Amino acid sequence: EVQLVESGGGLVQPGRSLRLSCSASGFTFEDYAMHWVRQGPGKGLEWVAIINWNSRTVDYADSVKGRFTISRDNASNSLYLHMNSVRHEDTAFYYCAKDTQGSGWYIDYWGRGTLVTVSS
Amino acid sequence: QSVLTQPPSASGAPGQRVTISCSGSSSNIGANTINWYQQFPGTAPKLLIHSNNHRPSGVPDRFSGSKSGTSASLAISGLRSEDEAAYYCAAWDDSLKGVVFGGGTKLTVL
Repeated sequence: EVQLVESGGGLVQPGRSLRLSCSASGFTFEDYAMHWVRQGPGKGLEWVAIINWNSRTVDYADSVKGRFTISRDNASNSLYLHMNSVRHEDTAFYYCAKDTQGSGWYIDYWGRGTLVTVSS
Repeated sequence: QSVLTQPPSASGAPGQRVTISCSGSSSNIGANTINWYQQFPGTAPKLLIHSNNHRPSGVPDRFSGSKSGTSASLAISGLRSEDEAAYYCAAWDDSLKGVVFGGGTKLTVL
């Protein structure tokens, strides 16, 4: 059974940094691209970033480009999102999500999410 | 403002058929396959339809998808109270080099 468990969310002040983690199990992690998707309070889904299976290709939403960095450690089946210079509008549930292919095609599994609240 | 356009709400009585539309452009729906996700309040999204019209294992055949040009739709037949949820369309966008979502449609079963 595919399991994705996010952690690292919490309250952070504007301008500060935070690192989210996602622990994956139930599939061969190194074979698949991975995503971060977020959902603000009462809002829709917003794609944040993708990393391909070997970390050679990453892409970001314009709203986070230059501030967030996606990375992965295939040895420990872990996905990360380094969030720098956070803003109020970054407040959201952050979901770790698995792709169906190594270079990105579509998301088939989602974690339960971790809540990030940006506030002073 | 979402890249893909969905109606914010839809409704139908039990047993009826409801369709939810999703409109995009040549760089997303027009170039790539469309996928649909179902989300209940307080829970993570779940894949409902992939590759335009394919149902993952376990999804009832009451759910179906279609695509034509730069638009797509999700149809739910034999509506049930447990179908009350938010539905999101999504596709890869070749110009933005990322996944784009619709704003979501909240389905109410009357």
